[in-house]
Amino acid sequence: GENVEQHPSTLSVQEGDSAVIKCTYSDSASNYFPWYKQELGKGPQLIIDIRSNVGEKKDQRIAVTLNKTAKHFSLHITETQPEDSAVYFCAASIKGRTSYGKLTFGQGTILTVHP
Amino acid sequence: DTEVTQTPKHLVMGMTNKKSLKCEQHMGHRAMYWYKQKAKKPPELMFVYSYEKLSINESVPSRFSPECPNSSLLNLHLHALQPEDSALYLCASSFSGLATSSYEQYFGPGTRLTVT
Repeated sequence: GENVEQHPSTLSVQEGDSAVIKCTYSDSASNYFPWYKQELGKGPQLIIDIRSNVGEKKDQRIAVTLNKTAKHFSLHITETQPEDSAVYFCAASIKGRTSYGKLTFGQGTILTVHP
Repeated sequence: DTEVTQTPKHLVMGMTNKKSLKCEQHMGHRAMYWYKQKAKKPPELMFVYSYEKLSINESVPSRFSPECPNSSLLNLHLHALQPEDSALYLCASSFSGLATSSYEQYFGPGTRLTVT
């Protein structure tokens, strides 16, 4: 089955700095890669996703890049703010084989943004 | 609107109790999911319903019993749980159908379950 590895497990940055979180996946058939942000006491929130036919996607201060050859994808957050502090999970899924999406999650990254 | 609601927010139950968790979405999604999440860990898939039919059971013990009464509702019935079942239980939904290009899964806020 699919295996997703995520690094680093913790990341501490100063407000205004950039943060990068990296994930690798094992199944070359995976074609959908979402990122979730989970704040304390809340459910995971989908913040951005990318499909395998796209190399990069941006949404304001957040961007995701995908390298299919190397089987890795990354989350980039620019101009970090204290409210970006949370646990971030990457995930991988194979879209198209079934009528639902089975996500395989990475182990998570605890991001702390210091004011 | 991408809202998935879950009730209750918190639940404390004894090992002999029977309780139910409830999940609701009104986005027209036809796939609904139950996840279990332990502290500092990613969500673990338990069950998937697609078009109100159970599609995946990830070898979950029978003390957890899912139910999908209609396309908007998902229940998780709990009976004779163990203290190690204490966790955050998350519901999620996604638009389903092989013709769709959308696989985004949206999570609810979860039910924090404590088994005493």
